[in-house]
Amino acid sequence: QKEVEQNSGPLSVPEGAIASLNCTYSDRGSQSFFWYRQYSGKSPELIMSIYSNGDKEDGRFTAQLNKASQYVSLLIRDSQPSDSATYLCAVNGGSQGNLIFGKGTKLSVKP
Amino acid sequence: GAGVSQSPRYKVAKRGQDVALRCDPISGHVSLFWYQQALGQGPEFLTYFQNEAQLDKSGLPSDRFFAERPEGSVSTLKIQRTQQEDSAVYLCASSLNINEQYFGPGTRLTVT
Repeated sequence: QKEVEQNSGPLSVPEGAIASLNCTYSDRGSQSFFWYRQYSGKSPELIMSIYSNGDKEDGRFTAQLNKASQYVSLLIRDSQPSDSATYLCAVNGGSQGNLIFGKGTKLSVKP
Repeated sequence: GAGVSQSPRYKVAKRGQDVALRCDPISGHVSLFWYQQALGQGPEFLTYFQNEAQLDKSGLPSDRFFAERPEGSVSTLKIQRTQQEDSAVYLCASSLNINEQYFGPGTRLTVT
């Protein structure tokens, strides 16, 4: 069974710090990787996608992918209280495109 | 532009009732996915449509669950004879291809 693992947290960081969120996946054949942000009571919001090894930066967010280690991470620079949410790692589960999600890491940014 | 919309946003059903949940995807998105999210868990895949064709229904938990997208746009997820374990948030997502999926606000189903 294909699995995606994340630390559930909570991860607490002070405002302005770097938050580091990590995810591992079991299927070595996975090709597409996504980070979603989910505020309490809301639906997941796509914030980053990454398809090849290395880093991808978008504003304060950097996604990092290492396929050899089956590891994907999300860095949030200059963390803000508004970044407080649950971050879901998702991996493409097959040729049809269904996503396999981790349970999410709850991030709390303290002012 | 308009995002994915879902209705109703909240649904309370008595055990044994049938429910129908609607999803209106982003215009032009050929791929449509249904997921179920239990409290404290990540979304779990239910079924996938490409246009009107249901290409994968491997995640549907039982034959009480049925989904359709007859004209390749709006989709309906139907749950027959609801059970308490069906209580969850049902999320619809659409995508231009099969990669980046955009979620609707979800329907919170409570079975009493």
